[in-house]
Amino acid sequence: DTEVTQTPKHLVMGMTNKKSLKCEQHMGHRAMYWYKQKAKKPPELMFVYSYEKLSINESVPSRFSPECPNSSLLNLHLHALQPEDSALYLCASSQEAGVAGTPLHFGNGTRLTVT
Amino acid sequence: KNQVEQSPQSLIILEGKNCTLQCNYTVSPFSNLRWYKQDTGRGPVSLTIMTFSENTKSNGRYTATLDADTKQSSLHITASQLSDSASYICVVSSGGGNKLTFGTGTQLKVEL
Repeated sequence: DTEVTQTPKHLVMGMTNKKSLKCEQHMGHRAMYWYKQKAKKPPELMFVYSYEKLSINESVPSRFSPECPNSSLLNLHLHALQPEDSALYLCASSQEAGVAGTPLHFGNGTRLTVT
Repeated sequence: KNQVEQSPQSLIILEGKNCTLQCNYTVSPFSNLRWYKQDTGRGPVSLTIMTFSENTKSNGRYTATLDADTKQSSLHITASQLSDSASYICVVSSGGGNKLTFGTGTQLKVEL
């Protein structure tokens, strides 16, 4: 089993709903990431947190709002999403951000469907 | 523009056979190259990471090679098993390592 835990595994929400995705790791990693993956496509980077501070935002629409309450937790708050936002949302962590050779540890993702 | 291309797009082989997946990249400056295995509906799992100076790295039945001159990598799977059925993704890291360029993956199916 993966050491990065994501909840929920599946989520169906309407376009007016507000929901949150959660990610947790207890490996002492100081970098955490959100990726979005559409079917048969590679993951696309959304956000990077390093030492609990947002270091990269890949021009993600404001209807996605990340939050890093502490070094073990990463949330993604969702509001007013569109059907095209339906995808697998992957959380990942690594020992440090920006250090070559450190592997990313991925969670198993949240399968999000926007109706 | 940084790009990673993988071939073939999909592959079906019989259990017990070997196969080789290819990855060509145009990423600069090169930092390292990773191979990930992604089972359907699950997150990617790292198989190997190779830096510029490494030519080959093994992880069990998986052997990755890297030719930094031609900017090519391969992943060789020996004695395939049904559980090898997955998408195999080549990922090239540039600069400090944060910026990853993902390939579109090779979908491998191992059949009886």
